Amino acid sequence: DAGITQSPRYKITETGRQVTLMCHQTWSHSYMFWYRQDLGHGLRLIYYSAAADITDKGEVPDGYVVSRSKTENFPLTLESATRSQTSVYFCASSDRISGGERQYFGPGTRLTVT
Amino acid sequence: QKEVEQNSGPLSVPEGAIASLNCTYSDRGSQSFFWYRQYSGKSPELIMFIYSNGDKEDGRFTAQLNKASQYVSLLIRDSQPSDSATYLCAVRNNAGKSTFGDGTTLTVKP
Repeated sequence: DAGITQSPRYKITETGRQVTLMCHQTWSHSYMFWYRQDLGHGLRLIYYSAAADITDKGEVPDGYVVSRSKTENFPLTLESATRSQTSVYFCASSDRISGGERQYFGPGTRLTVT
Repeated sequence: QKEVEQNSGPLSVPEGAIASLNCTYSDRGSQSFFWYRQYSGKSPELIMFIYSNGDKEDGRFTAQLNKASQYVSLLIRDSQPSDSATYLCAVRNNAGKSTFGDGTTLTVKP
């Protein structure tokens, strides 16, 4: 089915482990984003990508790494997970239309770091 | 000061009433303004976007933008219980990055 998917949907990991969250979109959107949402708060941008092999930092990039070798995939890696990275992670994609940038969100990954 | 600020809420209105959600932003270079709805445990979904000063209507929803006052609002007419959700204001600057407010939780009581 077309759309944007994330995996896993739920993940529990231990402090210090490396974790990779996957994001895949089928629309061939040029832009992709990673956000985290902490309880009771809005979305904070971690990293974004304007195209394959082009990535840039957002508001809270420390402790995260991204790559984008293919347009449709945008994995997010936590190099050494910390408890403060417990959050819900949303991936989004968009394509510039008429100067705007409507974003389509994936279902989210709920990550718990113990 | 946060880049995007919303009424902290929660906001409660009776069914059939008008719900008014407000958002202010600090970056005068902001180009595009979005309202997303997020149900509990779900991902955000776009309701409205607005680029120009004035009002934009879509069904029961009206977005209002005043760039001089750096203010954007969302009005929901004839509010329904199904409108109960958290509403996120997002502002995109001319570099292409979007900043979200913390959201306002709306409850529509039958």
